[in-house]
Amino acid sequence: AQTVTQSQPEMSVQEAETVTLSCTYDTSESDYYLFWYKQPPSRQMILVIRQEAYKQQNATENRFSVNFQKAAKSFSLKISDSQLGDAAMYFCAYWSQGGSEKLVFGKGTKLTVNP
Amino acid sequence: DAGITQSPRHKVTETGTPVTLRCHQTENHRYMYWYRQDPGHGLRLIHYSYGVKDTDKGEVSDGYSVSRSKTEDFLLTLESATSSQTSVYFCAIRPQRPSRGTGELFFGEGSRLTVL
Repeated sequence: AQTVTQSQPEMSVQEAETVTLSCTYDTSESDYYLFWYKQPPSRQMILVIRQEAYKQQNATENRFSVNFQKAAKSFSLKISDSQLGDAAMYFCAYWSQGGSEKLVFGKGTKLTVNP
Repeated sequence: DAGITQSPRHKVTETGTPVTLRCHQTENHRYMYWYRQDPGHGLRLIHYSYGVKDTDKGEVSDGYSVSRSKTEDFLLTLESATSSQTSVYFCAIRPQRPSRGTGELFFGEGSRLTVL
């Protein structure tokens, strides 16, 4: 079974600085998707960024970018110019094209942004 | 807005009572999911559905049952609630249109259940 590991239960960053959240996963599949979701205190789950495993280019969405290392099975999220509104739980997630139809989540990293 | 509504949003109940959570969608998506979220565990899949009357178990399905008699509704039932089922429950749908991405889920706002 696929597993997703987020080794940092909590992280903090100063406003306007850059922070990187780590995620590793275990799979024998070659075709899959990886996601980062954000959950602010409102509890709403919000998709931040998506990466297709067959694409070598790292995905970018404004201040959010990923470092996707397929051989190392690593998928880190970099947040640049951190803002107070970035404070949230961040979840890494994995979905396989192979047919399990299930999105598997890591346990999450709580990000605090200090003014 | 993915058109997902969960009800009730908050519920307090006592051990041993039955509880049903409802997820309603307005866009006729085939795939629907129930997750629970607990501190230190992230989101864990309880059950999912891939069509009317077609459901399958997730990793934490014990003590839960589901039903899907209509495309738009996916019900999660706790036949006899226990304190270990105190959690926040999320419903999600998975669009299959390529433009929406593959594997991406859209979530409801969650239902907080407390079992005393």
